[in-house]
Amino acid sequence: QKEVEQDPGPLSVPEGAIVSLNCTYSNSAFQYFMWYRQYSRKGPELLMYTYSSGNKEDGRFTAQVDKSSKYISLFIRDSQPSDSATYLCAMRSIQGAQKLVFGQGTRLTINP
Amino acid sequence: NAGVTQTPKFQVLKTGQSMTLQCAQDMNHNSMYWYRQDPGMGLRLIYYSASEGTTDKGEVPNGYNVSRLNKREFSLRLESAAPSQTSVYFCASRQTDTQYFGPGTRLTVL
Repeated sequence: QKEVEQDPGPLSVPEGAIVSLNCTYSNSAFQYFMWYRQYSRKGPELLMYTYSSGNKEDGRFTAQVDKSSKYISLFIRDSQPSDSATYLCAMRSIQGAQKLVFGQGTRLTINP
Repeated sequence: NAGVTQTPKFQVLKTGQSMTLQCAQDMNHNSMYWYRQDPGMGLRLIYYSASEGTTDKGEVPNGYNVSRLNKREFSLRLESAAPSQTSVYFCASRQTDTQYFGPGTRLTVL
């Protein structure tokens, strides 16, 4: 069983929809949670970063962490065609500064 | 400021051939990483270097070697390529909790 599970999709939604992307994990030591966005044929780039539980909002993006359920989410409001990309969750423990564990990535397409 | 650069962008090898993937960063970061990305598998860590002069194995190190040449450069070597090493390879450097990725090398082993 993988430490981090993410539905690979693909996920296709109309422009303006609210998108929910999710990851589950099994390692209760994970404390730091990130979402990376990867455009086609490019390297991933950090989109959101949260520590421990709770919500973090940045413009149209909200990251949510539920440590009791070992579940993290990324919400995209008012989705735009430019949001079409693969979204990877990533996480690490306090001691694991050098070792991020990534989910498989979810390929998202926003249709105009 | 180029960030993280990787060469080559594409490569086709025959089974048994060797090659070195080059990576350089100009952000003065201590930590550097090599990942491979395969469909349905996400990013898997091959090797990392926490600082100049040190290297450590990641999740999938078999068949690879690395060299941290200096603070800027971190290379990945395939001594005897196998079809299972067909993948997209990403180099990254890290500052606090942000990893900065290069554009990737697409490698095909026939």
